[in-house]
Amino acid sequence: DIQMTQSPSTLSASVGDRVTITCRASQSISNWLAWYQHKPGEAPKLLIYMASSLESGVPSRFSGSGSGTEFTLTISSLQPDDFATYYCQQCHSFSWTFGQGTKVEIK
Amino acid sequence: DVQLLESGGGFVQPGGSLRLSCVASGFTFSNYAMSWVRQVPGKGLEWVSGIRGSGGGTYYADSVKGRFTISRDNSKNTLFLQMNSLGAEDTAVYYCVKDAKRMSTITYFDYWGQGTLVTVSS
Repeated sequence: DIQMTQSPSTLSASVGDRVTITCRASQSISNWLAWYQHKPGEAPKLLIYMASSLESGVPSRFSGSGSGTEFTLTISSLQPDDFATYYCQQCHSFSWTFGQGTKVEIK
Repeated sequence: DVQLLESGGGFVQPGGSLRLSCVASGFTFSNYAMSWVRQVPGKGLEWVSGIRGSGGGTYYADSVKGRFTISRDNSKNTLFLQMNSLGAEDTAVYYCVKDAKRMSTITYFDYWGQGTLVTVSS
């Protein structure tokens, strides 16, 4: 199975900060990567698909990049609504796996 | 609007069985693969099982293979997950999720249900 490793596990940041989360795959997944935002008590929300395509309705401060084995999710200017846990997910192989998550906390 | 409504969660003893259901609305159900994703309390997300729109292809995580069976009834817009030989490690919130790509295999997920809690304990 393809393993997905996110870093950092926890990130403390302030409103207005630029935030970057990294996701590494154990083998090449081309651009078959999605990013989700998950808040407690809510359903996860798709933010980015195919590594860099912004899901409809998602604010443009979110962006994704990368291919192969290394990917990043960037929030250009952190907003109060963005404090949540973020997950990457690979959809390259017939065993769909998530990263362990990155919790974005208020500094 | 797309809606996914899970049911069937609850409390079960180790070794027991449970069947989850998910009723979908707001889209042409048979055109989309569907999956179950779970979250152990305090832990991350884990893809559990998926099924193609036609029902012709089913896929399982190694952790549940041989114990769980996914199925769907396209005439009733309903997804199922039959869970047998349950253990404490299966305690989690189970989400029904819709695939984003029409007429495709499992890819990424654009709609999630609110989840149903399964608790396995003696």
